[in-house]
Amino acid sequence: NAGVTQTPKFRILKIGQSMTLQCAQDMNHNYMYWYRQDPGMGLKLIYYSVGAGITDKGEVPNGYNVSRSTTEDFPLRLELAAPSQTSVYFCASSYRSYGYTFGSGTRLTVV
Amino acid sequence: GQQVMQIPQYQHVQEGEDFTTYCNSSTTLSNIQWYKQRPGGHPVFLIQLVKSGEVKKQKRLTFQFGEAKKNSSLHITATQTTDVGTYFCAGLGTALIFGKGTTLSVSS
Repeated sequence: NAGVTQTPKFRILKIGQSMTLQCAQDMNHNYMYWYRQDPGMGLKLIYYSVGAGITDKGEVPNGYNVSRSTTEDFPLRLELAAPSQTSVYFCASSYRSYGYTFGSGTRLTVV
Repeated sequence: GQQVMQIPQYQHVQEGEDFTTYCNSSTTLSNIQWYKQRPGGHPVFLIQLVKSGEVKKQKRLTFQFGEAKKNSSLHITATQTTDVGTYFCAGLGTALIFGKGTTLSVSS
């Protein structure tokens, strides 16, 4: 049972490049989330999904896009990367809203 | 929008001392959850509180939910070096809104 798997673990992007952060869960959770974590700032919600085909914006959605075509996968797309998007990105899933299971994170640097 | 605030931001204790972190919300919460993040790691779920005035214990950790469901606390008795990390509270809106966390360091 892998839980929540995020790839890649590390990535360096140049300004203006695009990339997709992958997230997959094998717990059959309907709810999935993307957070970013900056030093000393806690976790900020980017997007979330309550089921396949349903997504909604969180606190800091600008510069990101998501899709949810299956229950298992919830990729996060960065278009036109900017230095302000340098952060650690965590994907999480849950059964309804109880007890999120987090992935190990993707550390992204935009230079 | 909903905000969740935690104090203190940092706390250093000697091993064996007690530790408490406090969490306050700008709105009434349907529930509050606590997570622990070890240095370099990811957040790990500790507990969920739902009822007004609820108190739950996990070994040396005691969690409380305020009567008005707008505040919560985590108390660790007799800290150990394994308690090192950042403790986050999170209030449930449409999804969890996290506080900035309290980073605990412990010296032996």
